Amino acid sequence: GENVEQHPSTLSVQEGDSAVIKCTYSDSASNYFPWYKQELGKRPQLIIDIRSNVGEKKDQRIAVTLNKTAKHFSLHITETQPEDSAVYFCAAKGSGAGSYQLTFGKGTKLSVIP
Amino acid sequence: DAGVIQSPRHEVTEMGQEVTLRCKPISGHNSLFWYRQTMMRGLELLIYFNNNVPIDDSGMPEDRFSAKMPNASFSTLKIQPSEPRDSAVYFCASNSLRNTIYFGEGSWLTVV
Repeated sequence: GENVEQHPSTLSVQEGDSAVIKCTYSDSASNYFPWYKQELGKRPQLIIDIRSNVGEKKDQRIAVTLNKTAKHFSLHITETQPEDSAVYFCAAKGSGAGSYQLTFGKGTKLSVIP
Repeated sequence: DAGVIQSPRHEVTEMGQEVTLRCKPISGHNSLFWYRQTMMRGLELLIYFNNNVPIDDSGMPEDRFSAKMPNASFSTLKIQPSEPRDSAVYFCASNSLRNTIYFGEGSWLTVV
C-alpha cells in the first residue's frame, strides 16, 4: 500500500518568514495530494490540494509543489502569521483497490513566533 | 450543507462499557471513513465504506471494534468492551467524487 513520509515533525519560524514542509510517497500511481491544517482541539481541514497533472498550485500565501519523478511534494507558506500555527498533514491517494482512501503523513507542528 | 456530523462530541466512560460513536456524512458523498487520532500514532484509518459497503477494515485494531453503515446517511463505530488505551479522538470523514475528504468535528473519547 501507499506510504507517506513527512518532515520535519516540528518547525518553528519567526513571523513573516517562510515555512516549508516536505512529504514523500511510495506509490508512483498516486494522483491526488491534499494538505490539511489542524488547529488545537479541532478537526483537520483541507487548505490546498494538487493533482498529478499539475506541478504547482498557489492560493494566496500557500503553495504546493509536486515532483512526480522524485515522488515528493511540498507545502510552502510565505509571510507566516501567528494564526498559521497548527499541525499540518500531507496525504496521498493511492491507486488500485484501495484508491478511495487517503494515506496521511505523521504531521508537522508549525509554530510561528510573533 | 452542515458538513459531517458526529456525536457525541465528548464521552467519558468506564473501562468495560460499550461505546457507540455516530456519524452522518455529507449528503451525496459515497465514501465514509473512520479515523482514530492519538499523539503517539497520529491519524490512523480504521475502516472505510463505499456505497455503504465496508471496503477495508484492516485498520480496526481488534475484535472489540466494529462499524456499520446501514444506509447512506448514517454510520456507527462501536467499541465493546472499551479499554483505557482506546482513549483518543475518533474522526468520521466523507469524500466526494473529486477525492476531497471532509472531516467531522470528532468524538473525544476518554476511557477511565
